Amino acid sequence: EVQLVQSGAEVKKPGESLTISCKASGYSFTNYWISWVRQMPGKGLEWMGRIDPSDSYPNYSPSFQGHVTISADKSISTAYLQWSSLKASDTAMYYCARHFGRDGMDVWGQGTTVTVSS
Amino acid sequence: QSALTQPPSASGSPGQSVTISCTGTSSDVGAYNYVSWYQHHPGKAPKLMIYEVTKRPSGVPDRFSGSKSGNTASLTVSGLQAEDEADYYCSSYAGVTVFGGGTKLTVL
Repeated sequence: EVQLVQSGAEVKKPGESLTISCKASGYSFTNYWISWVRQMPGKGLEWMGRIDPSDSYPNYSPSFQGHVTISADKSISTAYLQWSSLKASDTAMYYCARHFGRDGMDVWGQGTTVTVSS
Repeated sequence: QSALTQPPSASGSPGQSVTISCTGTSSDVGAYNYVSWYQHHPGKAPKLMIYEVTKRPSGVPDRFSGSKSGNTASLTVSGLQAEDEADYYCSSYAGVTVFGGGTKLTVL
């Protein structure tokens, strides 16, 4: 079965660092891009960026460039989303998703809730 | 890259058809045939319903169809069913991906 399994919910304080993960199984990890998508409470979906696991080359939305880091480890079929200094405004649900070609994202993780509060 | 423009809400009665629009620019929606639509039920992961403007992934009912004219793409849901009530998002790929603001579809 093709699936993406994300790491569990996180509760952090402002200024702390955080890395969440997305483990792929059931397909060749290096053949499909992985994107990260944010959904803030009560808001819509926002594309943050993607990574090509074959060469670990990331591509960021201008809105998120410099605020997060996307990476991948193809040896363990896992993509990552990292913050060096969290803000309260980073509180959201984060999804990873596999690209079916350049366009559609056909397989999604279950989501990781990140809560940042002092 | 600005978000694509969708109406905030749409509605229809069971059995009716409803169309949701998604307006971009000549740099995104109008530039390529890379428009997708997602169905999102609260508390669940989004589900791909349409990709490359008109194509349906395996398992998606043919009640869902997509089209595009110029800088505006559309999702049509025919024969509305109660389970179609959800948030719907369009997205466009033009080097980077951008989502629309989402449309809440209510089945009356």
